[in-house]
Amino acid sequence: QSALTQPASVSGSPGQSITISCIGSNSDVGGYNRVSWFQQHPGKVPKLIIYEDIKRPSAISYRFSASKSGSTASLTISGLQAEDEADYYCCSFATTNNWVFGGGTRLTVL
Amino acid sequence: EVQVVESGGGWVQPGGSLRLSCSASGFTFSACAMHWVRQAPGKGLEYVSGINDNGRTTHYGDSVEGRFVISRDDSRSTVYLQMSGLRGDDTAVYHCVKDLPGKYSFEYFGQGILVTVSS
Repeated sequence: QSALTQPASVSGSPGQSITISCIGSNSDVGGYNRVSWFQQHPGKVPKLIIYEDIKRPSAISYRFSASKSGSTASLTISGLQAEDEADYYCCSFATTNNWVFGGGTRLTVL
Repeated sequence: EVQVVESGGGWVQPGGSLRLSCSASGFTFSACAMHWVRQAPGKGLEYVSGINDNGRTTHYGDSVEGRFVISRDDSRSTVYLQMSGLRGDDTAVYHCVKDLPGKYSFEYFGQGILVTVSS
């Protein structure tokens, strides 16, 4: 099972919006409504920010949103803040009966 | 408050074995699937293994299939990961992860335990 494809890095200025893509296949991202996104600050554990493609846990800011088209999922962060600087990982359940992660995207807030 | 605490990590030689334990509290353990996700130093997240709430269904990542075995003891609210045939690329921090019930996602990551495979 190949890892999902994410850009290695993205950047944006405070107040701007950025989008991180996550490219999979019909065997994972495109085959189920089971994409999750995780935020990981340096030295911290991953934190769930999106599940079932587009749903946001109650404690997560509305500034985080997600979408999916075919086998490509996307995470958008609006109104960028310094605290958003972190690594972001997509993850999908797959037909191989396990889960596959993306390689991660480092977000830099300029 | 949800808590999952990993133990059993450490240094092991290539080809060796190690058993990780994860003790959970703050939720109904017997009703929850549990997983292991690892992160090699400076690298990304990798799915290792999972077990459903009744212990009858297990999942394994391609790189550990046939070498690792996951199990659970609901009486102890503990999930285990028996690792054998360890290789250098198994070196990582292993996180115990609480499932988000019914959502095919991961709700809560433990702090993790370091496993180092080296001669």
